[in-house]
Amino acid sequence: QKEVEQDPGPLSVPEGAIVSLNCTYSNSAFQYFMWYRQYSRKGPELLMYTYSSGNKEDGRFTAQVDKSSKYISLFIRDSQPSDSATYLCAMISGGYNKLIFGAGTRLAVHP
Amino acid sequence: GAVVSQHPSWVICKSGTSVKIECRSLDFQATTMFWYRQFPKQSLMLMATSNEGSKATYEQGVEKDKFLINHASLTLSTLTVTSAHPEDSSFYICSASGRGRNEQYFGPGTRLTVT
Repeated sequence: QKEVEQDPGPLSVPEGAIVSLNCTYSNSAFQYFMWYRQYSRKGPELLMYTYSSGNKEDGRFTAQVDKSSKYISLFIRDSQPSDSATYLCAMISGGYNKLIFGAGTRLAVHP
Repeated sequence: GAVVSQHPSWVICKSGTSVKIECRSLDFQATTMFWYRQFPKQSLMLMATSNEGSKATYEQGVEKDKFLINHASLTLSTLTVTSAHPEDSSFYICSASGRGRNEQYFGPGTRLTVT
């Protein structure tokens, strides 16, 4: 069993839809959670960084962490074609600096 | 947000030659830098972690004599692929984190093609 599970998709939605991306994890030592967006042939871009259970909002993006269920989510409101990319969840244990990535979910937002 | 640059963005070299890739943190001091490799449609694979002024720590299965990493300053790390072969062709990405920080900021990546 992988430490971090993420559905690779692809996920196709119409423009304006609310997108829900999810990851589950098995290691209860993970304390810090990140979401990255990666366009084709580019490096990942940090979208959200959270370290506690609950919600964190930044513009059209909301990150949600449920440590009791070992489940994290990223919601994208009013999705745009420019949001089409691969979204990677990543997490890290306290005291360590090695990120553990999910497989990435490919998202396509069509006009 | 924090900015990390990489140079070159793409490089083509002949088999047997060495290639150096630079990674720079432009607006923060990167106490730790990371080097990843990514194959098409796959997630990132960590190759090594380096702290400023220390030797790099390589992941299992990564040849340290083939992938030389130097982190000489708080803003610069280099990856040298020695005696490159076609199987080394890949997308190499660096990332950096600041002192006491967990989040990593990634460079734009370098596409290496070995002919």
